[in-house]
Amino acid sequence: AQKVTQAQTEISVVEKEDVTLDCVYETRDTTYYLFWYKQPPSGELVFLIRRNSFDEQNEISGRYSWNFQKSTSSFNFTITASQVVDSAVYFCALTPGGGSTLGRLYFGRGTQLTVWP
Amino acid sequence: NAGVTQTPKFRVLKTGQSMTLLCAQDMNHEYMYWYRQDPGMGLRLIHYSVGEGTTAKGEVPDGYNVSRLKKQNFLLGLESAAPSQTSVYFCASRSWGAGRTSTDTQYFGPGTRLTVL
Repeated sequence: AQKVTQAQTEISVVEKEDVTLDCVYETRDTTYYLFWYKQPPSGELVFLIRRNSFDEQNEISGRYSWNFQKSTSSFNFTITASQVVDSAVYFCALTPGGGSTLGRLYFGRGTQLTVWP
Repeated sequence: NAGVTQTPKFRVLKTGQSMTLLCAQDMNHEYMYWYRQDPGMGLRLIHYSVGEGTTAKGEVPDGYNVSRLKKQNFLLGLESAAPSQTSVYFCASRSWGAGRTSTDTQYFGPGTRLTVL
């Protein structure tokens, strides 16, 4: 079975604080992809990052960083020095089986991040 | 290059009415998906297609039908709308390639907000 759990339903921080969004996943597949999507108040889904199961290197993109740990089945997302524009719902998602499969995404329920000025 | 587009953006239906949601992509992707998003539920897969002329059921297919007559278009139909189908509908198309250099990623349209009275 495939499952993605985002235990934090809502998080509120003040601008310039660092914030970490947690994501825990379950899959029996040895090959899989993990994703983070951002959904701002306007409603569209914006792709942020994809991580392959065989690549545990952490990634940094500007103020965003991702920590992938297979040992704990976690793929956490940290925003450094948060800004009001970071306010959005963030979804973690899983595609099992790699590129040769149907590619359907299993989504967590999302974390609503609110950054106050 | 418009990516993934959806028509219409908003729609209000009465119970029992029918309608078709149109999704179009200009990225020459084989795989396309329809998801619905409900509060606190994340996104759930309704139907998907792995190529022109092929469709299959996802996690929540009841009450919906789909067609993929052209590679670039994926239609979602509601034959007899029910209030339980009030939701935001997202279409996605998938780029992928096998192996460690795979770019397996789904790109989403802007969504259609449907209300069934």
